[in-house]
Amino acid sequence: QLQLQESGPGLVKPSETLSLTCTVSGGSISSSSYYWGWIRQPPGKGLEWIGSIYYSGSTYYNPSLKSRVTISVDTSKNQFSLKLSSVTAADTAVYYCASPRFLEGMDVWGKGTTVTVSS
Amino acid sequence: QSALTQPASVSGSPGQSITISCTGTSSDVGSYNLVSWYQQHPGKAPKLMIYEGSKRPSGVSNRFSGSKSGNTASLTISGLQAEDEADYYCCSYAGSSTFWVFGGGTKLTVL
Repeated sequence: QLQLQESGPGLVKPSETLSLTCTVSGGSISSSSYYWGWIRQPPGKGLEWIGSIYYSGSTYYNPSLKSRVTISVDTSKNQFSLKLSSVTAADTAVYYCASPRFLEGMDVWGKGTTVTVSS
Repeated sequence: QSALTQPASVSGSPGQSITISCTGTSSDVGSYNLVSWYQQHPGKAPKLMIYEGSKRPSGVSNRFSGSKSGNTASLTISGLQAEDEADYYCCSYAGSSTFWVFGGGTKLTVL
């Protein structure tokens, strides 16, 4: 059974780069079934899709965040990562990794990790 | 502002049925039968309830159903139970440039 676990710093300073990793267990990061992705949720607000990466390496980003986002895969560690540059307080959120499938939706999610942007 | 529009809140009594709407455009909901719905309890990760507009994942109660008409998708919950009280989000594929967009979420209160 596929499981995902986010990890990374819980506190990031303004203007710096937020870096998170999602470790995949119970399945291969190289699977053609998934568009490994990141979704965030600011405090008290709704969900926002950040971006996804396909096993081929193709990336897809939310147009509103595209200039600051990089998603990559490390097949040797069965992990994928998120980098969000030039963060501000507006980037404070719970960050989830998920395994979206094109037809079947986002059926597996990590538990989420809280990232606060503050000096 | 979210790409998909949902009512901020809905409510119903136990045993009743409620419907949550999700209005998009001809570029997302209207063009693809790829709307999914998620249930989120406080402090928890979202849970997939409906995919491809009307299909239920294994283990999801048949009290949950989905449909679509034009640019609006809907989630109906029948036989409301206390445990259904949660936030619900719709999500639609929106083409190769935007990919996925979420609704703003709807808080369901079971009276």
